[in-house]
Amino acid sequence: ILNVEQSPQSLHVQEGDSTNFTCSFPSSNFYALHWYRWETAKSPEALFVMTLNGDEKKKGRISATLNTKEGYSYLYIKGSQPEDSATYLCAFPNFGNEKLTFGTGTRLTIIP
Amino acid sequence: SAVISQKPSRDICQRGTSLTIQCQVDSQVTMMFWYRQQPGQSLTLIATANQGSEATYESGFVIDKFPISRPNLTFSTLTVSNMSPEDSSIYLCSVQKDRGETDTQYFGPGTRLTVL
Repeated sequence: ILNVEQSPQSLHVQEGDSTNFTCSFPSSNFYALHWYRWETAKSPEALFVMTLNGDEKKKGRISATLNTKEGYSYLYIKGSQPEDSATYLCAFPNFGNEKLTFGTGTRLTIIP
Repeated sequence: SAVISQKPSRDICQRGTSLTIQCQVDSQVTMMFWYRQQPGQSLTLIATANQGSEATYESGFVIDKFPISRPNLTFSTLTVSNMSPEDSSIYLCSVQKDRGETDTQYFGPGTRLTVL
């Protein structure tokens, strides 16, 4: 059973502030790490697929970094906006196949 | 990307009954999966839906409880059989156009099931 952990479990951030949260995963047999954003009553939205150690990916105000040697990834949100309120999930492919093991997520609430 | 629809979007069911959830994709895909999220838990893979053959179930999930069909490359159904309150969850289908751990999986909007 793969252990994918996310912290913190929930977070309240003032609008305009920047924030970050963590996903940790098994550092051995790394294939890829997926980040998703899941807003209530909508489909989980794919944000990034991270594959290389030291990778940094960016999508607007959201960026992610990857450290495969120590088994963690950070997701950063710059200048938080109310529309960023969502649960952010990371997922790790099982043993080099397409089956994803998800973390429990970080629930982000932006306070106007 | 892929556009995925699920029906129904939500339902309230009585204990002992069954519900079939449909997943439709707007293009042909290689992989289709079914996940569920129980309250307070992470998304958990139930099974891989295989086109033209029996689904591949994860540990803890069995065909009698969660029969799955996939008659073609754009459609799949998941049935939740003989439901109990513990089956109350969000059920999601996901698709992946090609095989491989670095390909993006796209998710449907989910079916929110409450069992009384």
